Order: sequence, then structure tokens, then C-alpha cells
Amino acid sequence: QITLKESGPTLVKPTQTLTLTCTFSGFSLNTGGVAVGWIRQPPGKALEWLALIYGDDGKRYSPPLKSRLTITKDTSKNQVVLTMTNMDPVDTATYYCAHKVNYVFDYWGQGTLVTVSS
Amino acid sequence: QSALTQPPSASGSRGQSVTISCTGTSSDIGGYDYVSWYQQHPGKAPKLMIYGVNKRPSGVPDRFSGSKSGNTATLTVSGLQAEDEADYHCRSYSGSDNYEIFGGGTRLTVL
Repeated sequence: QITLKESGPTLVKPTQTLTLTCTFSGFSLNTGGVAVGWIRQPPGKALEWLALIYGDDGKRYSPPLKSRLTITKDTSKNQVVLTMTNMDPVDTATYYCAHKVNYVFDYWGQGTLVTVSS
Repeated sequence: QSALTQPPSASGSRGQSVTISCTGTSSDIGGYDYVSWYQQHPGKAPKLMIYGVNKRPSGVPDRFSGSKSGNTATLTVSGLQAEDEADYHCRSYSGSDNYEIFGGGTRLTVL
């Protein structure tokens, strides 16, 4: 079955760079039309899409955050990495990675809470 | 890129039906049949309930249904049960900037 799990720091300081890793199993990113995306959710607030990467290395980013985001993949390790620069307290959120196919985010990781504070 | 518009709250008694709306624009909901709905219980990850406007993944009860008219998508939950109490989020693809857009979320209370 498809599973995804996020990992990374739980606390980062303002202006630092956040690096999150999504480790997945049960599917291959080399399969046509399959992608892995990142979505975040500040406490008590809405979901916000961040970035997406396909097996052919095609990438898409949220326009407002594009300058701060980089998404990469390591197909041999079944991992997708998201980096976000210049972190701010407003970036405090639970960060999820999710499997996407046929225009649907169908499987999600459990999420990881990242707090931005000095 | 504004979020899709959902009512902040909805409620219904056990056994009744409730609808939750999700309003966008012709660039997202109105332009594509890529609307999906997610259920999220407190402290849990979102769970896919509806995709492609009105399709249910395996294992989702048929009490959950989806529809779309113009720029507005609707989730209907029939025969409300206690376990349906959760937050519900809609999501669409937006072709104007080639991105994914979510709604603000609706908290469903089962009375």
C-alpha cells in the first residue's frame, strides 16, 4: 500500500532555511503522471499547497512562495525534499507530503509540525 | 491567488443531510472537473472523500457525494453520523497559474 512520511526539524529560527524530507513507499515516481506534493496547514487554519514534483523532474511551485521554495527528488531512495528559505514565525505549520495522480492528492503523510521561533 | 470560499461552519442532526459549498472562479472550479474533498479529524491528516467532482474512493461511504454547478462545488453528507464531525476541505486545480488551490475549510458539527 502507499505510505508517505515527513521528517525534519521541529523547531527552526527566523531567517533559517527549512529542509523537509518525504520518504515514501508503495509507488514509483517514475510512473507516468505520478507526483509528490507538499501542503502545509498553520494551526487552526486552511491547507495551503506549496510545491509538486513529477517523475520526469517537472516541478511546480505556489506563485506567492516560489522564490523561497525548492523541491527535489531522489528516486533511488524514494524521497522528495523540500527546502524553504528565510523562515518566519508565520511559516509555523504542519507540513504534509502527499501522493498525486490523475489530478488528485489521494494519499497523505501524517504531517510534521514545524515551529519557527527564536 | 485567493483560497476557494467555504462557509466556516455547518451543522446537522444525526440522520439528516448537510451540504457544504466551495466557490471559486472560472479559472479553477468552473474550468476543470478536478475538484476533490477531504475530511480531517483533529490532529489527523486529511483523508480523500471525493475526487473528480463526484467520484468516491474505495471505502468511502456512499453517504458522501459531490457535485458542481458553474464555479461552485458542493459536498453533501447524507444520514449524518457522529463520526462525520470533522473539518472538510475542498481543493481544485487552477489553470490561470498552473497551481493547486484549497478552500478555507468548513467545520461540520453533528448535533
